[in-house]
Amino acid sequence: DARVTQTPRHKVTEMGQEVTMRCQPILGHNTVFWYRQTMMQGLELLAYFRNRAPLDDSGMPKDRFSAEMPDATLATLKIQPSEPRDSAVYFCASGSGSGTDTQYFGPGTRLTVL
Amino acid sequence: GDSVTQMEGPVTLSEEAFLTINCTYTATGYPSLFWYVQYPGEGLQLLLKATKADDKGSNKGFEATYRKETTSFHLEKGSVQVSDSAVYFCALRYNQGGKLIFGQGTELSVKP
Repeated sequence: DARVTQTPRHKVTEMGQEVTMRCQPILGHNTVFWYRQTMMQGLELLAYFRNRAPLDDSGMPKDRFSAEMPDATLATLKIQPSEPRDSAVYFCASGSGSGTDTQYFGPGTRLTVL
Repeated sequence: GDSVTQMEGPVTLSEEAFLTINCTYTATGYPSLFWYVQYPGEGLQLLLKATKADDKGSNKGFEATYRKETTSFHLEKGSVQVSDSAVYFCALRYNQGGKLIFGQGTELSVKP
């Protein structure tokens, strides 16, 4: 049963620290998305990649957030420096990128910045 | 821009009651429409989808019909169970394989 995996599942850190979240997409999927979920804003797209190239990162604060895909099996989302307003659940999703494909979501990383 | 609006929750129903969760959308073209479900502490799971006008998506007793004339994709189920308690998200995707645009989510609580 293929799944998207995310690590860590929970992260508590102090303001100003660097946070790195990792995602392993489903093998063979060439499109990876990062979404953020908060009570106030709901679910919003931060960035997405196709074939490891960034296609849209307009939802991401550029000064502190960065997203990369070092290889086809790993996507990372980094926050440096972190701020309390970054506290949220961060979801990674992957898809085949073709037709009416389904996006499969990981379990999320719950980030708390104190 | 494209957007999705859902009815506000929480929605509280008794077991075996009929469920409707309203969803309307604004789009410049012809998006695909989706319902995702999020159980407590978990990620989102695709519940059903419809890719063109008049298509009906269905799964696990849930149904939704893509109504272009009313720009709606309301979720229905004839008889809910306690296990259906979750948050339901309506979403659209305008470009093939592209990003999902979500509604704000509707929490459903089903009581025995």
